[in-house]
Amino acid sequence: SQQGEEDPQALSIQEGENATMNCSYKTSINNLQWYRQNSGRGLVHLILIRSNEREKHSGRLRVTLDTSKKSSSLLITASRAADTASYFCATDAVPNFGNEKLTFGTGTRLTIIP
Amino acid sequence: GAVVSQHPSWVICKSGTSVKIECRSLDFQATTMFWYRQFPKQSLMLMATSNEGSKATYEQGVEKDKFLINHASLTLSTLTVTSAHPEDSSFYICSAGSPLFYEQYFGPGTRLTVT
Repeated sequence: SQQGEEDPQALSIQEGENATMNCSYKTSINNLQWYRQNSGRGLVHLILIRSNEREKHSGRLRVTLDTSKKSSSLLITASRAADTASYFCATDAVPNFGNEKLTFGTGTRLTIIP
Repeated sequence: GAVVSQHPSWVICKSGTSVKIECRSLDFQATTMFWYRQFPKQSLMLMATSNEGSKATYEQGVEKDKFLINHASLTLSTLTVTSAHPEDSSFYICSAGSPLFYEQYFGPGTRLTVT
């Protein structure tokens, strides 16, 4: 399987703390994206980082990418109860103008304790 | 952002029957649509890629005769689970892509339960 690995599989933190989750992948990539999925719902796109970028910010989110280690991390600062969800990284290997085939990681289940 | 809908949001069917799931891009033309399957507490696994007007490309291990995909227009793709069995019970999610966007847009998913 080409599926990426994420760790931890599950993470519980107190509201207000920072949450960090990691993603490792196996093949060379074009882009890496992070998605959030609330229980039983579809996916919400969070952030995209290109293979030539090393760090990207969006609001309370910070994503890093290390292509030499084939890994990425997602940091959520000042967590809120509404951040409780599963988080997935997804990679695409071949650029195809928005039609890329994505390979998803195994996911991290984040629980924010009020 | 762009909106993708799925219908139905949940369905229960009896073993041996067929079920059709629709995926629609509501405000853009999707040149490509993807179908994923997600088992409880697991990640999304790509089943197939469909391009408007052509045959779908299935991932290894996915039975194309069991999971029929039709992409008849730039805004609609359908997945039909034929002769469904309890092991087909899963969460099916579609996504739609366009050269206009860098990201794909995901539908809300369809929960299929086969009894």
